[in-house]
Amino acid sequence: QSALTQPPAASGSPGQSVTISCTGTSSDVGGYNYVSWYQQHPGKAPKLMIYEVTKRPSGVPDRFSGSKSGNTASLTVSGLQAEDEADYYCYSYAGSNNLVFGGGTKLTVL
Amino acid sequence: QVQLQESGPGLVKPSQTLSLTCTVSGGSISSGGYYWSWIRQPPGKGLEWIGYMYSSGRSYYNPSLKSRITISLDTSKNQFSLKLTSVTAADTAMYYCARNSGYFGDHMDVWGQGTTVTVSS
Repeated sequence: QSALTQPPAASGSPGQSVTISCTGTSSDVGGYNYVSWYQQHPGKAPKLMIYEVTKRPSGVPDRFSGSKSGNTASLTVSGLQAEDEADYYCYSYAGSNNLVFGGGTKLTVL
Repeated sequence: QVQLQESGPGLVKPSQTLSLTCTVSGGSISSGGYYWSWIRQPPGKGLEWIGYMYSSGRSYYNPSLKSRITISLDTSKNQFSLKLTSVTAADTAMYYCARNSGYFGDHMDVWGQGTTVTVSS
């Protein structure tokens, strides 16, 4: 299985919105509503931000939202804050109990 | 709440077997509904899912690593383990254990802090 495709980098100014894409195929992202997103600060373990495409775990700010269209899932961060600067990874179910990560996107808050 | 902690040798020689353990606290590893995962991250690179095991003992592996991996549960110790055989420098990484939730274990809601493994002679 191939990694999902994410842009290597994204950026925005404080208060702005930024959207990170995650492109797969009909065998993974497009085939199931089981896409999740993780935030990873340097030297830290990843943290779940979105699951099942649109759901937010308790404690995650509602500035983070997820969506999907066809084979592409997206994470939108609204009202950017300095602490949102991190790496973001998507993760999708790919059938037959296989799972695959995206390559990661480094989000910079300008 | 559930917490996970990885442990194991930080240095492994090429061609040997890497063995790591994840100790689960605050919950039982044998309670249904969860999968128990290993994930790794080479230095400066992205995350790679290694595989997971359901609480019933059924395991599922990343096809690209399947021939070298074994994940097992030890319910008496509330731990799960990873064995990766025939390691090379390419297996040098931070290794994380995690709990997967969801019908297919499709998202990881609890993570360990990670443990660094270096493959070198």
